[in-house]
Amino acid sequence: GQNIDQPTEMTATEGAIVQINCTYQTSGFNGLFWYQQHAGEAPTFLSYNVLDGLEEKGRFSSFLSRSKGYSYLLLKELQMKDSASYLCAVPNSGNTPLVFGKGTRLSVIA
Amino acid sequence: EAGVTQFPSHSVIEKGQTVTLRCDPISGHDNLYWYRRVMGKEIKFLLHFVKESKQDESGMPNNRFLAERTGGTYSTLKVQPAELEDSGVYFCASSPVAHSPLHFGNGTRLTVT
Repeated sequence: GQNIDQPTEMTATEGAIVQINCTYQTSGFNGLFWYQQHAGEAPTFLSYNVLDGLEEKGRFSSFLSRSKGYSYLLLKELQMKDSASYLCAVPNSGNTPLVFGKGTRLSVIA
Repeated sequence: EAGVTQFPSHSVIEKGQTVTLRCDPISGHDNLYWYRRVMGKEIKFLLHFVKESKQDESGMPNNRFLAERTGGTYSTLKVQPAELEDSGVYFCASSPVAHSPLHFGNGTRLTVT
């Protein structure tokens, strides 16, 4: 089965950089997803990593190390609207259904 | 392109009653998923349809939950009879192919009293 661990809460200052870590244990590996979820809204897709390394997409970047079972989401130039939960998820081994971590609630303060 | 839509957005029912949740996926998405988030816990997988067929229903908690996907279009999730522990937010998601990013609906917040 899967075991996904990420910090419960983080606080960062507007304009700063924050790194949200995720560790996972899976019986197989089919990539790792990051989703953003604002309170009361649907989770929205941020990034997908299947190979080791850093994927940059604007202010958001995601890193993966398959050998370490580790990923992080890096948010730069934080804005107040970035306050949300960030969910790390991996597909079930050999099939599609995503298994989610509990999410990291990020609060951006002025 | 219209997103995934779910109805109702909120439902409050008494223990023992029946509730039916509906999900309309993005048109053309063969894969449809139901997930649930109980307060304070992670989003958990319930089941997966490919077109009208149940691909994986390993996450369904018990036989009080029944999901259907008529004609491979919209899907319904019925809870009968509802119990207190069924309270939570039920998300539907769809994707065009397996292993592609999921598009989530806004969820149905179910409260069983």
